[in-house]
Amino acid sequence: GAGVSQTPSNKVTEKGKYVELRCDPISGHTALYWYRQSLGQGPEFLIYFQGTGAADDSGLPNDRFFAVRPEGSVSTLKIQRTERGDSAVYLCASSWGQPLTDTQYFGPGTRLTVL
Amino acid sequence: GDSVTQMEGPVTLSEEAFLTINCTYTATGYPSLFWYVQYPGEGLQLLLKATKADDKGSNKGFEATYRKETTSFHLEKGSVQVSDSAVYFCAVTGGFKTIFGAGTRLFVKA
Repeated sequence: GAGVSQTPSNKVTEKGKYVELRCDPISGHTALYWYRQSLGQGPEFLIYFQGTGAADDSGLPNDRFFAVRPEGSVSTLKIQRTERGDSAVYLCASSWGQPLTDTQYFGPGTRLTVL
Repeated sequence: GDSVTQMEGPVTLSEEAFLTINCTYTATGYPSLFWYVQYPGEGLQLLLKATKADDKGSNKGFEATYRKETTSFHLEKGSVQVSDSAVYFCAVTGGFKTIFGAGTRLFVKA
């Protein structure tokens, strides 16, 4: 079946602009995660959704970052007033809904470059 | 908060050599432990996991045992292949949040 998909695959923007990154999870997965991965590092947790609600958003670095999942499926990560330090690969993952033990299925990522 | 420390790479081995990639963690309670792998040009995927102490996860010839007394989850394989060349990430989940290590790049030479 279809895996996790993310769009766009690449996004180049200018400092100060607003961007939206989209994640389509595996059908039926109630849990959805966003991560940020910088070069040479492991994924860094940003936010976890269970259904429509953000159960843990403690990884969002500041109030420029926001994520939604209005219908419990597709999620959008929104970044306002982008900065050069936001440049990274943004990964989305989904799972069945038991975060402690679930296998997470990752998308291919969106590479964000802020000029 | 939770954290993961894993062996720095790159690790370079000849085919059929024995592999160990060390991973230690700090976490409260009863976390689950994972190894994820990223092959060249591909996304992150689960390699193996263990959800309670003394469990052994295994897959594709790789093994790791959840050692609570030493807070470790070292990855081992008895005989590596060129196709095992990838970046390996150790991860711990203590609640909703998964914390990843920095990754260890493995190169296997023919």
